[in-house]
Amino acid sequence: LAKTTQPISMDSYEGQEVNITCSHNNIATNDYITWYQQFPSQGPRFIIQGYKTKVTNEVASLFIPADRKSSTLSLPRVSLSDTAVYYCLVGERMGRIAAGNKLTFGGGTRVLVKP
Amino acid sequence: NAGVTQTPKFRVLKTGQSMTLLCAQDMNHEYMYWYRQDPGMGLRLIHYSVGEGTTAKGEVPDGYNVSRLKKQNFLLGLESAAPSQTSVYFCASSWETRGRDTGELFFGEGSRLTVL
Repeated sequence: LAKTTQPISMDSYEGQEVNITCSHNNIATNDYITWYQQFPSQGPRFIIQGYKTKVTNEVASLFIPADRKSSTLSLPRVSLSDTAVYYCLVGERMGRIAAGNKLTFGGGTRVLVKP
Repeated sequence: NAGVTQTPKFRVLKTGQSMTLLCAQDMNHEYMYWYRQDPGMGLRLIHYSVGEGTTAKGEVPDGYNVSRLKKQNFLLGLESAAPSQTSVYFCASSWETRGRDTGELFFGEGSRLTVL
């Protein structure tokens, strides 16, 4: 499984763009990059998934360079309600469980949005 | 749609007691998972199931047993609870991915277990 490294915490202010970079140097050919968001006392929630280049949805954008050894989650114009822990996961899509293909959640990045 | 429902939400046990956490999903998902989350840490996979009647070990299976007798339910059992099992337990479910499906995990609200 590809190991991921992401910052432990980040502070930001309302209205700013937050960029969280995740390193995954040993990503495999079949691996996707998936980000989840977790609020206190809640289960994680899927944000976005990508394989290469750029993916954008109504919540965030995901930038993946050509070598795929890192990825950046971009949250535009954050608000106080975006304060949460963000997890970067790398592996085959979760529904394709196979021996060794068990996505793990690392420690995540704790994002604090200040007024 | 209720999504993924976990019961109970809170429980306090004494060392050596047994209990079962119930996870129910109404999305007809094939896959279900149990995770534990300790303070300030990420989630660790305990056991998972790829379909009714099947279970498999995850990253930290010791001290837990699971059963998936019905497609919509995934039970997590602690036969003899230990203080080290004090944690928040999350159940999740997902589709079997086909084509462009993301394999998104849908999580329950969590069950907070304290073992004294």
